[in-house]
Amino acid sequence: NAGVTQTPKFQVLKTGQSMTLQCAQDMNHEYMSWYRQDPGMGLRLIHYSVGAGITDQGEVPNGYNVSRSTTEDFPLRLLSAAPSQTSVYFCASSQRVKEKLFFGSGTQLSVL
Amino acid sequence: GESVGLHLPTLSVQEGDNSIINCAYSNSASDYFIWYKQESGKGPQFIIDIRSNMDKRQGQRVTVLLNKTVKHLSLQIAATQPGDSAVYFCAETGNTGGFKTIFGAGTRLFVKA
Repeated sequence: NAGVTQTPKFQVLKTGQSMTLQCAQDMNHEYMSWYRQDPGMGLRLIHYSVGAGITDQGEVPNGYNVSRSTTEDFPLRLLSAAPSQTSVYFCASSQRVKEKLFFGSGTQLSVL
Repeated sequence: GESVGLHLPTLSVQEGDNSIINCAYSNSASDYFIWYKQESGKGPQFIIDIRSNMDKRQGQRVTVLLNKTVKHLSLQIAATQPGDSAVYFCAETGNTGGFKTIFGAGTRLFVKA
């Protein structure tokens, strides 16, 4: 099994550009989530989903959109990139709510 | 990558000693707690979890203790090895305001050979 797959691994954007970070899992997990990790800080929850068609906001949702049209995929969209969104982004999934999370390898995003 | 955890609290231990990493959680309604290990350039990896109906759980070389009275979680690593050097995060999940898993700030563990 591939587990949780994130693409791309690295991305550089200009301020104002939009893009989508891809996340896919092949474990038939119900729960998926997106985190960002900045230097000197822990992981902060952006958005999460408890199943296909259901999404909810996390701690820092502004500037990001998500959708969950299938169980496998949970893309994260940056609507208009800002330098404050420079970070490492992690996607994670778990079988159900309140079970251990499996993380992808991350996307390092720089916004100039 | 390497820039993660620049300003984290650091615990330095001698190889073979026991390590104790502490975490204060914020939400008294949280009922599920996990410890994760993150090595440089990688995503966090699950170590051990505990639910609020327990106060202690043991794994291989690791023990998690939960004190709900003071909202405190600890991770004990026995016979610490150089491969244990990493950043350790606690995380909590509750029922209020949705099923959000919230991470603590993290502690960097450095094992001296």
